[in-house]
Amino acid sequence: DAKTTQPTSMDCAEGRAANLPCNHSTISGNEYVYWYRQIHSQGPQYIIHGLKNNETNEMASLIITEDRKSSTLILPHATLRDTAVYYCIVRVAGGGGGADGLTFGKGTHLIIQP
Amino acid sequence: KAGVTQTPRYLIKTRGQQVTLSCSPISGHRSVSWYQQTPGQGLQFLFEYFSETQRNKGNFPGRFSGRQFSNSRSEMNVSTLELGDSALYLCASRAFSGANVLTFGAGSRLTVL
Repeated sequence: DAKTTQPTSMDCAEGRAANLPCNHSTISGNEYVYWYRQIHSQGPQYIIHGLKNNETNEMASLIITEDRKSSTLILPHATLRDTAVYYCIVRVAGGGGGADGLTFGKGTHLIIQP
Repeated sequence: KAGVTQTPRYLIKTRGQQVTLSCSPISGHRSVSWYQQTPGQGLQFLFEYFSETQRNKGNFPGRFSGRQFSNSRSEMNVSTLELGDSALYLCASRAFSGANVLTFGAGSRLTVL
C-alpha cells in the first residue's frame, strides 16, 4: 500500500471550511484514496473515496491533485460534531474478492473551535 | 437499516483467561473484518471473513482467531489473555462489491487485569 502523510492535528473555527491535507506520493494507478473519521470512543466512519476525479457527497468533498500525489478532504461548514481523528488511506478497490485490511495510520486530529 | 452490532460493549478479564466477542454485520453484508485499536499501535487489522472463510489475516499471534457463520455473523476469540490485549476491538462489515467502504460497529472494549 502507498504510505500517507497527514498533519498530526489541525484547528478550525466552527462554521468555516475545514481543509485536511494528505500526501500520498507513492500512490499507484489502481489505488483509491479513502477517508474515514473516528469520533472519540466510536468506531471509524467512512466519509468518501475517489480515484482521480474530485468527489462530493453529503458529508464532504475530496479534491485529488492531477498527479494524484496528494489530496484534500473538505468539510464545507464544520460543526463541533466534526471534531474527530481523520484518516487518509490509499488502497486498491476491495470489491470482488478477499480484501486486505486497511492501514489507518495516525490520522489528523481535527478540533473544531466554537 | 440496522448497523453493525457488537457484543459485549465492555468486559473485564484476567490474564490467562479467554474471551469471545460477537459481531452482527449489516443485513446483506457478507464480509466481516476485525480490528484492534490501542493507544500505542492505533488501528490494526486482525482478519477478514467472507462466506465463512478467512480471506486475509493481519500480523497477530495464533491466540487471536475468528470464525464466521452461515448468517454472516462473526465471532473472534482471544485465548490466554495478556495485559497487552487490552484494547478496543472493532468489527466492520462491507457489501461484497462495496470497495473498501466499511461500516464499523461501536466496538468491544476489553480490559485485561
